[in-house]
Amino acid sequence: DVKVTQSSRYLVKRTGEKVFLECVQDMDHENMFWYRQDPGLGLRLIYFSYDVKMKEKGDIPEGYSVSREKKERFSLILESASTNQTSMYLCASSLPTGFFSPLHFGNGTRLTVT
Amino acid sequence: AQKITQTQPGMFVQEKEAVTLDCTYDTSDPSYGLFWYKQPSSGEMIFLIYQGSYDQQNATEGRYSLNFQKARKSANLVISASQLGDSAMYFCAMREVDNAGNMLTFGGGTRLMVKP
Repeated sequence: DVKVTQSSRYLVKRTGEKVFLECVQDMDHENMFWYRQDPGLGLRLIYFSYDVKMKEKGDIPEGYSVSREKKERFSLILESASTNQTSMYLCASSLPTGFFSPLHFGNGTRLTVT
Repeated sequence: AQKITQTQPGMFVQEKEAVTLDCTYDTSDPSYGLFWYKQPSSGEMIFLIYQGSYDQQNATEGRYSLNFQKARKSANLVISASQLGDSAMYFCAMREVDNAGNMLTFGGGTRLMVKP
């Protein structure tokens, strides 16, 4: 079974802090993703990576950056946290090709910025 | 324009009855894939079922089936014989061919509540 692990389940940070959300997958997947989930808006893609050191912006990259130094690890960085970044953050991984390649998700990190 | 639309924010269903969760999509790609995920209150996203745009038959997985109507661009999820454990958020998602990163685009979700 694919396992995607997010380092924190709940996180509370102050406005202006630098925040790191960590994600590790154990299935040697090339593709990794960061989504944020908000009520009524579903999941929106922040960034994705299809290889080590490669990154691409998703639909809502503003205020975020990412790092992928190793294949199994994909980090989401909030350079200066703001209250509108309070949300559920979901990391996912998948194989690189084929339509039938479901995303495998972590359990999510619920971030509150006060 | 929204690529994936789920028009039912919340739904109730009686235990043991069938329920249909609506999903419409918008794409100009001839090749695409459609997915349904379940998210219980614990937060994990569970993959349920997949339908490819060229698949001739509607996908089925146990109590889940996908009512795929290509001309209408709809991919409704049907859950038969609802159980209390089916209470969760359900998300419809799409992967298009012109998609370098292989990402999925998600709808806003439907919260299903199963009544005993």
